[in-house]
Amino acid sequence: KQEVTQIPAALSVPEGENLVLNCSFTDSAIYNLQWFRQDPGKGLTSLLLIQSSQREQTSGRLNASLDKSSGRSTLYIAASQPGDSATYLCAVRPDRGSTLGRLYFGRGTQLTVWP
Amino acid sequence: SQTIHQWPATLVQPVGSPLSLECTVEGTSNPNLYWYRQAAGRGLQLLFYSVGIGQISSEVPQNLSASRPQDRQFILSSKKLLLSDSGFYLCAWNSGGLRVNTEAFFGQGTRLTVV
Repeated sequence: KQEVTQIPAALSVPEGENLVLNCSFTDSAIYNLQWFRQDPGKGLTSLLLIQSSQREQTSGRLNASLDKSSGRSTLYIAASQPGDSATYLCAVRPDRGSTLGRLYFGRGTQLTVWP
Repeated sequence: SQTIHQWPATLVQPVGSPLSLECTVEGTSNPNLYWYRQAAGRGLQLLFYSVGIGQISSEVPQNLSASRPQDRQFILSSKKLLLSDSGFYLCAWNSGGLRVNTEAFFGQGTRLTVV
């Protein structure tokens, strides 16, 4: 069974810092990996999708990398802002198993960026 | 563009009462649909998924059921709620058929409190 781990569980930084959030998964047989943002009491907002054949994806100040063979992904946030405060979730989509399209999630990193 | 609607946003129900949560997707056809539950301090757990009308698969045995009466409508139900059914319920979709490397999108969630 796929296990997804996110480190750290929580992070508190001053505004302007560059951040790295880590995600690891136990089974490298994946179609893709997706990073989400969740604000308190809200649903998940998709940030970046990395296909298994890709090494990284970028969107604005966000950059996600994927090392499929070692089962790792990182989310890099440049020049953090208070509006980046949220919980960041990593999820992988296995390429085997009977449940079509299901995602396996980590427990998230709760990020607080203070002014 | 595609959108996903989920309602109600919050719900407080007594133990033993019935439940009906609804999710609809707009702007796409034949999506794969999913119900996840997010319990406090735990990751997201897949409850049900559907690849087509009337096709429901359950990931875990539980007090809940799901139905898909129309292509873009997914309903989560219970005949008698338990205290342990409390949690944050999220509906999600991705493109169906043979497309496997597609992004998943989530609704805004329903906070269910069983009292």
